[in-house]
Amino acid sequence: GAVVSQHPSRVICKSGTSVKIECRSLDFQATTMFWYRQFPKQSLMLMATSNEGSKATYEQGVEKDKFLINHASLTLSTLTVTSAHPEDSSFYICSAIQSYEQYFGPGTRLTVT
Amino acid sequence: AQKITQTQPGMFVQEKEAVTLDCTYDTSDPSYGLFWYKQPSSGEMIFLIYQGSYDQQNATEGRYSLNFQKARKSANLVISASQLGDSAMYFCAMRGWGGSEKLVFGKGTKLTVNP
Repeated sequence: GAVVSQHPSRVICKSGTSVKIECRSLDFQATTMFWYRQFPKQSLMLMATSNEGSKATYEQGVEKDKFLINHASLTLSTLTVTSAHPEDSSFYICSAIQSYEQYFGPGTRLTVT
Repeated sequence: AQKITQTQPGMFVQEKEAVTLDCTYDTSDPSYGLFWYKQPSSGEMIFLIYQGSYDQQNATEGRYSLNFQKARKSANLVISASQLGDSAMYFCAMRGWGGSEKLVFGKGTKLTVNP
């Protein structure tokens, strides 16, 4: 099946710094990618829909100025957590659609100290 | 708006037995898709099975089958001949066709397979 990669898989950063997470579709083009956040023992919560060549669509309650999304090409979307705080520590997962299936990246575990 | 309900926070099953994980949904979309994903402790989301709302037959994929009852708005996952490696979180999700392509997830069920 289609493959989606994420980089880095784990990142630890200090409070107040910014962190960029990359999501790539490796063998297909994805005009739409999604960013999810998952806290421990909870479900995946959609943060935003990343659209190639246009602005991302954010879910209610997600700060667009804090979680910057750039979908610069058909195979790459980036999520930048700006001015990270400990409460931003979470598991971030991206996904991309091919046909009717939605393929997920392996996730990025962010820890903000 | 779409909503997925998984009422079983945790389930236990003996190895080689079958287990059913419940999922009910609510949507106003006339056409939609239902998905099940497995998430082991590593965190990766593994696609298991898909059911389209207009599919006449219940979906099957190896040991996984989806018991789709449209009138009851339920899409239960049945795992036959459970294996120790099936221990994981299982998420039911849905997506409406014709509008946003985003997936809405249930809260998940933690399945533990006992030897």
